[in-house]
Amino acid sequence: DQQVKQNSPSLSVQEGRISILNCDYTNSMFDYFLWYKKYPAEGPTFLISISSIKDKNEDGRFTVFLNKSAKHLSLHIVPSQPGDSAVYFCAAGPYNTDKLIFGTGTRLQVFP
Amino acid sequence: DTAVSQTPKYLVTQMGNDKSIKCEQNLGHDTMYWYKQDSKKFLKIMFSYNNKELIINETVPNRFSPKSPDKAHLNLHINSLELGDSAVYFCASSQKGVSEQFFGPGTRLTVL
Repeated sequence: DQQVKQNSPSLSVQEGRISILNCDYTNSMFDYFLWYKKYPAEGPTFLISISSIKDKNEDGRFTVFLNKSAKHLSLHIVPSQPGDSAVYFCAAGPYNTDKLIFGTGTRLQVFP
Repeated sequence: DTAVSQTPKYLVTQMGNDKSIKCEQNLGHDTMYWYKQDSKKFLKIMFSYNNKELIINETVPNRFSPKSPDKAHLNLHINSLELGDSAVYFCASSQKGVSEQFFGPGTRLTVL
């Protein structure tokens, strides 16, 4: 029973364009959401988060949007750079939780 | 100055053996975790410890035994290894009450 779903296993985007990665969740108790980035042979690294009291959080080129009614969040990267090529995991849980539920990841490839 | 470190990075062993994976964090966090990423890329929590006390114990066979000698270390011992234990195991840490978790580089375990 996947409570956090990333339905696109991969995404290919040209350098300079926008990358949009999507994530859906089913558990209405989730109120904190995070995006992690993972390079091969490394552990996931925290990228950006959002709590359910907001619908948008921005950090430089990265913006996360949350649509609570649709139980959907997305990560926008603009402009995309080749160094952004990695696997992106969405994670969710109740606020101040020790237990995060991760999606299966979306592999982003940014080509020149 | 690695924040969360794991040893070994790779572990190849025979079925039925017992092995351990070590994890150390120098971030001063009081909560540590073990995750398993299987062949389908699901990243699932196995255990979490807060100040050496077991907090989360997901449905994990009791062949897996975590040990936390102090709050900076969380080791994972696996008895009677099985083929299905082959996976990448990630250690992570966080401050209690903060959802952002910091991950180690992972240990790729292969059981032959």
